[in-house]
Amino acid sequence: DTAVSQTPKYLVTQMGNDKSIKCEQNLGHDTMYWYKQDSKKFLKIMFSYNNKELIINETVPNRFSPKSPDKAHLNLHINSLELGDSAVYFCASSQGSPNTEAFFGQGTRLTVV
Amino acid sequence: AQSVTQLDSQVPVFEEAPVELRCNYSSSVSVYLFWYVQYPNQGLQLLLKYLSGSTLVKGINGFEAEFNKSQTSFHLRKPSVHISDTAEYFCAVSDLRGGNQFYFGTGTSLTVIP
Repeated sequence: DTAVSQTPKYLVTQMGNDKSIKCEQNLGHDTMYWYKQDSKKFLKIMFSYNNKELIINETVPNRFSPKSPDKAHLNLHINSLELGDSAVYFCASSQGSPNTEAFFGQGTRLTVV
Repeated sequence: AQSVTQLDSQVPVFEEAPVELRCNYSSSVSVYLFWYVQYPNQGLQLLLKYLSGSTLVKGINGFEAEFNKSQTSFHLRKPSVHISDTAEYFCAVSDLRGGNQFYFGTGTSLTVIP
C-alpha cells in the first residue's frame, strides 16, 4: 500500500486552464503539506494543514487553493495556470509534532504550455 | 527563523570512495534534523534523523550523520559509495515552535562515477 499517493503523476495543460492535483495518505497522520519543487530542485513549502485546518500559507498566488475534505486528503486546485507554475508538486504528511518526519508522495510533474 | 545551508550543490565522487555532504543550520531553539534522498523522478525518502541522544546517527543504505551543536552542522557521510547512490540529497530541520514545519536546504546532487 502506498502511504502517500498523489494523482496524476504527470499533468500537461495549456495556459489559462484550471487543474487539480489530489493527495491521499493512509498513515493516520494529522498534518499534510504541499511543496513545490522548481527546476533547480529547490523545495518550497506552499501549504500545511493540521486536522483539516490551514496552518501554513506561504506567499503563494491566490490562484492556488488547497482543500482538505478530511484528515486523509489534501487536494490542490490551481486556477488560470501560468507558464511559471510548471514544476513538480509534492504532497507530504506527518504526525504533526516536530520530532517526526514527513512522508512524501511521488510527485506530480505539472507542465504548462 | 530557521534556515538550512547545503554549501555543495554538486558532488561528484568515484565509486567506492567516501563522501561527505555538508549541512549547516541556523536556529535559536532546539531543532530536529533530517536527511532525505530523492532518486530521479521519485519522491523524497527519509535517510536518517537526529532527535536527541547520541550525536552519531545511522541511517539506511550505509549512510550516517553527525550532529554538532557547536558548529550547527549535520553532515552526511558514507564510507564507500555505490552507483546506486546517485541522487539528490536534502537536509531539513524542524523545531519546537509553530507546529511541524520542515525547512529544507537547496539540495546536493551526488553523482557517483564508475
